[in-house]
Amino acid sequence: GAVVSQHPSRVICKSGTSVKIECRSLDFQATTMFWYRQFPKQSLMLMATSNEGSKATYEQGVEKDKFLINHASLTLSTLTVTSAHPEDSSFYICSASPTSGGAQYQETQYFGPGTRLLVL
Amino acid sequence: LAKITQPISMDSYEGQEVNITCSHNNIATNDYITWYQQFPSQGPRFIIQGYKTKVTNEVASLFIPADRKSSTLSLPRVSLSDTAVYYCTGGGATNKLIFGTGTLLAVQP
Repeated sequence: GAVVSQHPSRVICKSGTSVKIECRSLDFQATTMFWYRQFPKQSLMLMATSNEGSKATYEQGVEKDKFLINHASLTLSTLTVTSAHPEDSSFYICSASPTSGGAQYQETQYFGPGTRLLVL
Repeated sequence: LAKITQPISMDSYEGQEVNITCSHNNIATNDYITWYQQFPSQGPRFIIQGYKTKVTNEVASLFIPADRKSSTLSLPRVSLSDTAVYYCTGGGATNKLIFGTGTLLAVQP
């Protein structure tokens, strides 16, 4: 139980284009989802907190107009990287917290497999 | 916000017990301590979670003293496939997860 998926697993795009990444909780509902970014050999950095039906909360230094987050349902959150540039190349990971579905650990976040973004 | 520190790396041999200690002096009262395992180019995988005292599941044990300023992840009889980065985190379901720096565990034959 408590499975989170991401799509796509990897994407290569040209500079200036926009890329959408989906995060889905497959066997539970999640009022809250989180988006992280991870650079090589570094820890995960929280970008934003996504709440179903309301605006996302962004961490300091993360541009909300560049990283658009939509959490339209209890099982889906999307991150859109707008006008991507090479410095946006990174590993993007989402997590979700069960609000129902019977997960053993209710006070935890379960992570997706990540999306590797390469901007040329 | 709590700062979480852990050793950068550890070495072990197959079959040994490995203990990774994490320091979190300022962890919030309502935060849980959760450990994750991460392989290259994959998302973190949940290992174990606790609030206080000792928790054990099928893959690990977690020891948290009464002051909650530190915690120790114990992996019994590691194998080569346990080579990964292990993250100590503080937080909860709807709280921000504070990640430690990560510990690269290298298991040798």
